[in-house]
Amino acid sequence: GDSVTQMEGPVTLSEEAFLTINCTYTATGYPSLFWYVQYPGEGLQLLLKATKADDKGSNKGFEATYRKETTSFHLEKGSVQVSDSAVYFCALSNQAGTALIFGKGTTLSVSS
Amino acid sequence: NAGVTQTPKFRVLKTGQSMTLLCAQDMNHEYMYWYRQDPGMGLRLIHYSVGEGTTAKGEVPDGYNVSRLKKQNFLLGLESAAPSQTSVYFCASRRSSGSWTETQYFGPGTRLLVL
Repeated sequence: GDSVTQMEGPVTLSEEAFLTINCTYTATGYPSLFWYVQYPGEGLQLLLKATKADDKGSNKGFEATYRKETTSFHLEKGSVQVSDSAVYFCALSNQAGTALIFGKGTTLSVSS
Repeated sequence: NAGVTQTPKFRVLKTGQSMTLLCAQDMNHEYMYWYRQDPGMGLRLIHYSVGEGTTAKGEVPDGYNVSRLKKQNFLLGLESAAPSQTSVYFCASRRSSGSWTETQYFGPGTRLLVL
């Protein structure tokens, strides 16, 4: 069945460092891909999404490109801030389009 | 707009007790979802609904029941709570148009502890 695999955390970085969180997926058809972020004590909120191959989603300095040939959707940011400390979830839409399938989440901790 | 709200925020139950978690959304969304979040497991879908009066099972439905009597509300029930149901529960909703491209909007979560 469809699945999402993302890199294990926690990821610990200093402020202004470059961030990459890897995400790969297995799916039939052409799912949409999402990154959600969960700040401490809160629910998830959409960070960015891409709906077809080669699309690039971007928001708040974060970017991810839908790579069909490598079945990947890696999250990147050029210069992280302390306020980016959160748990990041990669997700894909299921074939029926009725639900999301989430990865296990990657915890990012940024120190000043 | 309040978005997606969940009641209660936190609850402690004893094994065997029952309870109902309430999710409400004011965005007129057709689709609603209940997830549970456990350490190292990500979010797993319990049940979902694609419209008023309809429900369907997700990945981990055992021990839970749901009802969608009104479009804006989605209830999650635990008939006989077990320690394995200790978790953080999230509700989400989205529009039906656009199918798989639509964004899900999440509530703030309900933390449940079963002793």
